Amino acid sequence: EDQVTQSPEALRLQEGESSSLNCSYTVSGLRGLFWYRQDPGKGPEFLFTLYSAGEEKEKERLKATLTKKESFLHITAPKPEDSATYLCAVQWGYTGGFKTIFGAGTRLFVKA
Amino acid sequence: GAVVSQHPSWVICKSGTSVKIECRSLDFQATTMFWYRQFPKQSLMLMATSNEGSKATYEQGVEKDKFLINHASLTLSTLTVTSAHPEDSSFYICSARDVRGAGTGELFFGEGSRLTVL
Repeated sequence: EDQVTQSPEALRLQEGESSSLNCSYTVSGLRGLFWYRQDPGKGPEFLFTLYSAGEEKEKERLKATLTKKESFLHITAPKPEDSATYLCAVQWGYTGGFKTIFGAGTRLFVKA
Repeated sequence: GAVVSQHPSWVICKSGTSVKIECRSLDFQATTMFWYRQFPKQSLMLMATSNEGSKATYEQGVEKDKFLINHASLTLSTLTVTSAHPEDSSFYICSARDVRGAGTGELFFGEGSRLTVL
């Protein structure tokens, strides 16, 4: 069964304490892996797309990496405003279309 | 990134009434839009794929007659929750793919609509 699993479910960090969020997947024929940030009561905000193993993307304090089985979202020296739920989504293709499934997300809390 | 607008942001209605939620792509055309439902502290559950000019494709377990989807133009899709009941209360989010980026696959999301059925 195609699955996307994110860990940990929740992560509490002190401001400046770097860490990583994990997204593991079991789909075959990956078209792309996406990271989104979601604030409470809001729609997800697009962060990154990764297409192939070894690829890395950076944006401010965030860096996303991809292997054949998982992706990591590294947060360097986080600030309280980085607190949010981070969602990972995986897209794969099949005859006639494509499908995207989301992980359950990691809720990040950064304390000043 | 591309901008998707969703309206209303929140709505409260009485049981048995119908509610319409609009999803618009503001700066790009979208042949395909997606409607999701999200429960508290859970991930997004795809309800249906909205295709411009044709019938929507519903995911297994989603009632077509309960959740009516119309995609009349390249910039607008609507979700109508018919004869709403308290169990339909949820956060509904739409997303769209920019047709100019058909090879990239990024989905751009609306702000979501919080539906509360009394």
